[in-house]
Amino acid sequence: GAGVSQSPSNKVTEKGKDVELRCDPISGHTALYWYRQSLGQGLEFLIYFQGNSAPDKSGLPSDRFSAERTGGSVSTLTIQRTQQEDSAVYLCASSLFEADTQYFGPGTRLTVL
Amino acid sequence: EDQVTQSPEALRLQEGESSSLNCSYTVSGLRGLFWYRQDPGKGPEFLFTLYSAGEEKEKERLKATLTKKESFLHITAPKPEDSATYLCAVNMHTGTASKLTFGTGTRLQVTL
Repeated sequence: GAGVSQSPSNKVTEKGKDVELRCDPISGHTALYWYRQSLGQGLEFLIYFQGNSAPDKSGLPSDRFSAERTGGSVSTLTIQRTQQEDSAVYLCASSLFEADTQYFGPGTRLTVL
Repeated sequence: EDQVTQSPEALRLQEGESSSLNCSYTVSGLRGLFWYRQDPGKGPEFLFTLYSAGEEKEKERLKATLTKKESFLHITAPKPEDSATYLCAVNMHTGTASKLTFGTGTRLQVTL
């Protein structure tokens, strides 16, 4: 079946611009997660959704980062006023229920010039 | 502080040369330990989930084991296509959260 999909696969933007990253989870998965992977660093947790609610936003690095999930399915991660340090690969994962195995998408590579 | 440490950072093996990767963790309340494989430019690919000490899982040339403090990923007679970064992650009892805490990975290169 279809896995987790993310779009765009690559995004180049200028410092100060806003960007939106999209995640389509595996159909029927109730939990959705966003992570960030910077060069030479491990995956860093950003936010977790159960249905349309976000019980844990503790990983969002600043108030420039926000995310929403609608219809218990698609999620959008928005970064406002992008900075060069936001350059990274943003990964989305979904699981059938909380604490179950997480399946990852291919990621969106964000480059802020 | 909860931590996940993987060793070695990088490993170079010849085809057929078996070895093990280590993932040690210090967490309060382990819900599960996960192994993923990541190829360059791709998202992590799920390999195994382990829930309790003594548990073992196998898939082809890979075998994962778990103790109360660490997990090993044993690679038997590796092939060049096993070259990738192997990531270990833990899921902890943290109340409302259900996030994975990742190690920084082991980069494995298998040569002919």
